[in-house]
Amino acid sequence: AQKITQTQPGMFVQEKEAVTLDCTYDTSDQSYGLFWYKQPSSGEMIFLIYQGSYDEQNATEGRYSLNFQKARKSANLVISASQLGDSAMYFCAMRPTKTGANNLFFGTGTRLTVIP
Amino acid sequence: EAEVAQSPRYKITEKSQAVAFWCDPISGHATLYWYRQILGQGPELLVQFQDESVVDDSQLPKDRFSAERLKGVDSTLKIQPAELGDSAMYLCASSLSRQGEAFFGQGTRLTVV
Repeated sequence: AQKITQTQPGMFVQEKEAVTLDCTYDTSDQSYGLFWYKQPSSGEMIFLIYQGSYDEQNATEGRYSLNFQKARKSANLVISASQLGDSAMYFCAMRPTKTGANNLFFGTGTRLTVIP
Repeated sequence: EAEVAQSPRYKITEKSQAVAFWCDPISGHATLYWYRQILGQGPELLVQFQDESVVDDSQLPKDRFSAERLKGVDSTLKIQPAELGDSAMYLCASSLSRQGEAFFGQGTRLTVV
């Protein structure tokens, strides 16, 4: 079974500062992908960044980077230079990469508030 | 820019009534997902299609929920009869393949009264 844990229900960050959103996961699969999504109040889930379990380098996408520590089963999202528009819910998700059904399993989310 | 289209955006229905949601995935995306997101929680998969075939519907309450993707393009999710506990956001997502990132629509927010 897959489980995603996000222990921070809410986080605050000053505008232009960096923030780390925590995510740990539990899986028996050897091959999997890790995702982060942003969900603004409008409701849609916006894909931010992806990390494969066999990728040796941490993924980066603009101001987003994923701090992947495989041995600790953690995949924290780092947002640099926070902007007011970053205020939203953030979800960590995992998908086993194997044949057959490969569902995206989501955590409970972290609500980020950027303070001017 | 290509996007996943969902309608309606909002739906209020009385319990025991039937309700249906529609999703049009990004063109060419073979994999389509329906998720349910209860307030304060992360999305949970209801059903996954690969083209027109159901790949995973293990979490779909089949006594009242049904989903179809007849031509392997757009999809409909139906609830009959609706119950108070069905109030949630229903999200549709699509991906080019089973391993690719999933792109989500804006969702349908259902309120059952």
